[in-house]
Amino acid sequence: DIVLTQSPALAVSLGQRATISCRASQSVSISRYNLMHWYQQKPGQQPKLLIYRASNLASGIPARFSGSGSGTDFTLTINPVQADDIATYYCQQSRESPPWTFGGGTKLELK
Amino acid sequence: EVQLVESGGGLVQPGRSMKLSCAASGFTFSNYGMAWVRQAPTKGLEWVATISYDGSSTYYRDSVKGRFTISRDNAKSTLYLQMNSLRSEDTATYYCTRDRNPGYFDYWGQGVMVTVSS
Repeated sequence: DIVLTQSPALAVSLGQRATISCRASQSVSISRYNLMHWYQQKPGQQPKLLIYRASNLASGIPARFSGSGSGTDFTLTINPVQADDIATYYCQQSRESPPWTFGGGTKLELK
Repeated sequence: EVQLVESGGGLVQPGRSMKLSCAASGFTFSNYGMAWVRQAPTKGLEWVATISYDGSSTYYRDSVKGRFTISRDNAKSTLYLQMNSLRSEDTATYYCTRDRNPGYFDYWGQGVMVTVSS
């Protein structure tokens, strides 16, 4: 199985840039497709898709969210961070399936 | 508006069975693959099973293979998860999701809690 590694937490100030990383145990890219996706989950709520295929913004997601990366290293950037963005963020790969796997999540906290 | 509404959760004893349902609306259900993703209390997300748009293909994580069955009724726009021989480690909130090719989940239900305990 492909293991995705995320830092458990990240502290950021409102209005600043947040960079959340995800590292895969092997490449999740096929040709020009980077099969890494990002979700946001607030306490007591279901997850929400933010970014698909590494850099594509999901429907209705604000442009302050962006994604980048290829191969084994991927990044979710939030700029500028707003109070509503305080949540846990998960990466997920679909390069090797099954199983589709998720990272352990990064909890975004206020500094 | 896409809506996914799960039902059927609750408290069940180890070794017993439970069936979850997910009623879909707001899109053409028969055109999309669907999946179940679960989350144990205070833990991360874990993919459980996926079914193709027509039900002809199913995929499971190893820990549920042979115990869980994912199925669908396209006429009723409903997804199911039959869970047999339940274990304490199956305790989780189960989310119904729409599975987009290549394997990401663009809509999620609100989740249904399953507690396996004696």
